[in-house]
Order: sequence, then structure tokens, then C-alpha cells
Amino acid sequence: DSGVTQTPKHLITATGQRVTLRCSPRSGDLSVYWYQQSLDQGLQFLIQYYNGEERAKGNILERFSAQQFPDLHSELNLSSLELGDSALYFCASSVGTGGMYEQYFGPGTRLTVT
Amino acid sequence: AQSVTQLDSQVPVFEEAPVELRCNYSSSVSVYLFWYVQYPNQGLQLLLKYLSGSTLVKGINGFEAEFNKSQTSFHLRKPSVHISDTAEYFCAVSPNFGNEKLTFGTGTRLTIIP
Repeated sequence: DSGVTQTPKHLITATGQRVTLRCSPRSGDLSVYWYQQSLDQGLQFLIQYYNGEERAKGNILERFSAQQFPDLHSELNLSSLELGDSALYFCASSVGTGGMYEQYFGPGTRLTVT
Repeated sequence: AQSVTQLDSQVPVFEEAPVELRCNYSSSVSVYLFWYVQYPNQGLQLLLKYLSGSTLVKGINGFEAEFNKSQTSFHLRKPSVHISDTAEYFCAVSPNFGNEKLTFGTGTRLTIIP
């Protein structure tokens, strides 16, 4: 158990819908990262927040957005869903911001768009 | 930008035999290097990391990796594998300053044959 929690574990929804994925980082961690894992794209970094502020952006679609709240939990919002958005979405957290800090990964949310 | 190449998508190995999983990276700046393991239906767990110093890095579960700057490689090794090592292994890189996002390779599925 990494200490990072993600809800829900599974999500099945239809094309065009909007969903919200939630992540609670390890106690004391200020950074939250979101990754997407799919068969065709592999593991891709989406976005990072550090202490409530957006820190880095990766291959995140405009239909996707995220935020980190004052209690440091984070939400990833996916809208106008397409079949290709079906993937495993991971959240990770680390105590600081910088490559030397280990990222601890949650168990993931499996999103299926039908 | 950084990129990671994992040359083998699948590696079958007999139990108690040695294994090497290959990883090559490309980067115009100095990097940190990581190996993560993903067991079925679980998130990623850090096996080991290279930040600086000794090029031979030891990790959990008996794994080790060697950083070779001239060959831009970071191969993962274990002298004797166990059934429980069956998993997907990901090599990752991040720049050692600035944007610290992880860039992952496509993964190597290690299958242990009894």
C-alpha cells in the first residue's frame, strides 16, 4: 500500500459524458501527478500540481482539467469523453517537487468509455 | 525532451535463472533514472533509482541496475528470479532540474517459467 488513494476504482460511462477522478496523496506530500496508461500510448504524464498550483503540464487534452485543493487532494476532470479515453488513470504523489523525490503511485482508476 | 527505449516487450525466464531487462534513454540534459514494477492490477512501485554517485544501484527485491552514461543505458538485472517477479517493468527518466515529469518506456513484461 503506497498510501495514495484513488476513487473510484472502476468507472464505466458513455461517450460525450463527463467524469471526475479523485486522488488523495500520502500524508505530508505536496506534489500530485496524473498519468494515463493505455495500450496504444503507454504511460503518459498528464499534469502535476504542487501545493495547489499547477507545476508542469504534459500531454493533457483540452477536454481534461485538474486541480489540487487546499487539503491537497486532487481531481482530474474528463469531459466530452471519447472511446479513446478508455484507460487506466494513475495518480502519484511526492513530498517535494523535483526529480529526486520518489513518486508513490495509487492503484489507479480504470475508465471504460462505451 | 527525453525518451526511453525498452528493447524487449516480453522476456520469458526460467525460475532461478538470471535476467537482464534493457533500457536506453535519450536526453540533451542530465537526467535521473528509475525502474518501476507493476504487478497485475496494481499501481507502480519504485524498484530503484539513479540520482548521482555510484553507477551501480541496488534496489528492492534483489534487483540492481547500472548507469552507463557513454551508452546512455540503465539496464536492470537480477541474478536469480522467482515466480513472484512476474510483472511489467518500466524504465523512466526525468531531467535533473526544472520540469521533473517522468517519461516512461513502453514496458517489459517479465514472465517466470517454473
